[in-house]
Amino acid sequence: DIQMTQSPSTLSASVGDRVTITCRASKSIKNYLNWYQQKPGRAPKLLLYATSTVEAGVPSRFSGSGSGTEFTLTISSLQVEDFATYYCQQSYSTPYSFGQGTNLDIQ
Amino acid sequence: EVQLVESGGGLVQPGGSLRLSCTASGITFSNYWMSWARQAPGKGLEWVADIEQNGEEKNYVDSAKGRFSISRDNAKNSLYLQMSSLRAEDTAVYYCATAHRIPNYDMLTGDYRPYWYFDLWGRGTPVIVSS
Repeated sequence: DIQMTQSPSTLSASVGDRVTITCRASKSIKNYLNWYQQKPGRAPKLLLYATSTVEAGVPSRFSGSGSGTEFTLTISSLQVEDFATYYCQQSYSTPYSFGQGTNLDIQ
Repeated sequence: EVQLVESGGGLVQPGGSLRLSCTASGITFSNYWMSWARQAPGKGLEWVADIEQNGEEKNYVDSAKGRFSISRDNAKNSLYLQMSSLRAEDTAVYYCATAHRIPNYDMLTGDYRPYWYFDLWGRGTPVIVSS
């Protein structure tokens, strides 16, 4: 099975900051990487798929890059509504494992 | 309205069984692969199982194999997860989600491997396994 590891686990930032979250896979997953946002008590929301394709309706401040085993999610200018937990997920092979999550909170 | 609604969660004793349901509306349910994922209290997400549109192909995480069974009834726009031999570590909120597939053929390697992502989620149903 493929293990996904995110860093950092917690990130404190301010409105307007540029932030980057890293996700590493235990083996190459090419570009089979998705990102989700989850707020407390809510279901996850898809942000990006296939590493860098932004889901319809997601603001353009969200972007993704990477390939193989290392990937990043970047939020170019944090907004209040972006404070949440972010998860990466590999879709290269089942089981479609998630990272442990990155909690983005207000500094 | 486009939505997935899970039901059937609750308190069950270790070793017991439970059947979760997920009802879809606003989508052509039979067009989609469907998945179950779960989230233990205060923990991250874990993909549990998925099922093909016609119900023939199914995949499971190792911890679910032999204990959980995913199924669907396209006439009822419904997805199910039959869980048995439940353990304390199965305690979680269980979500159903549509699994969207994008075909992808790598001409260099000859490898066909579709992209998958989960784009519509329900609000979840809680399962508590405790005596």
